[in-house]
Amino acid sequence: QVQLVQSGAEVKKPGASVTVSCKASGYTFNSYYIHWVRQAPGQGLEWMGIINSSGGGTRYAEKFQGRVTMTRDTSTSTVYMELSSLRSEDTAVYYCARSSSWYVIYFDNWGQGTLVTVSS
Amino acid sequence: EIVLTQSPGTLSLSPGERATLSCRASQSVSSSRLAWYHQKPGQAPRLLIYGASTRATGIPDRFSGSGSGTDFTLTISRLEPEDFAVYFCQQYGSTPPLTFGGGTKVEIK
Repeated sequence: QVQLVQSGAEVKKPGASVTVSCKASGYTFNSYYIHWVRQAPGQGLEWMGIINSSGGGTRYAEKFQGRVTMTRDTSTSTVYMELSSLRSEDTAVYYCARSSSWYVIYFDNWGQGTLVTVSS
Repeated sequence: EIVLTQSPGTLSLSPGERATLSCRASQSVSSSRLAWYHQKPGQAPRLLIYGASTRATGIPDRFSGSGSGTDFTLTISRLEPEDFAVYFCQQYGSTPPLTFGGGTKVEIK
């Protein structure tokens, strides 16, 4: 079955960077796109960006341009999301999620989520 | 950016009752590119509906989606205990960015 398994919780200080991984299994990795969506405590969902698992191309939400980098390793079917210059407002659960299209984007599978806490 | 407004914020119903959730967009969502998810505490969201009205794989037929343009509705015909959760709509007709609604909590009355 399709699985997206994310790395564990992180605690970071303001100004630091965090990298969250998302390992895919149960499907052809290169045939889908991976997105990152975050959810602050008690809040709604916020889309951060997309990476093409095959070619590595990315597109980021304007809000995160310059602070987020998404990469992938096709040999291990793993996608990485790095967020830099962390601030307290970045405290959230970060999810990876899969779509079958670059443009027609809805998420048919999600990772379990990774809590990132930013605190001094 | 398309802003999605969900109403009501909270819906208090009993098992077996019908639930009607609304998602209104600030501008027309092209090609009815709207999806619905539900999310239980401590879990990731789960896809219910895409294309405004197509049920995702494994989703029971008590869930139905309708609407077009700026007004969309998710209906749960008879609430089961496992349906009490938070429901989000998401548009993908105008991206980037794709956007989500603020959510409707369906709670047990």
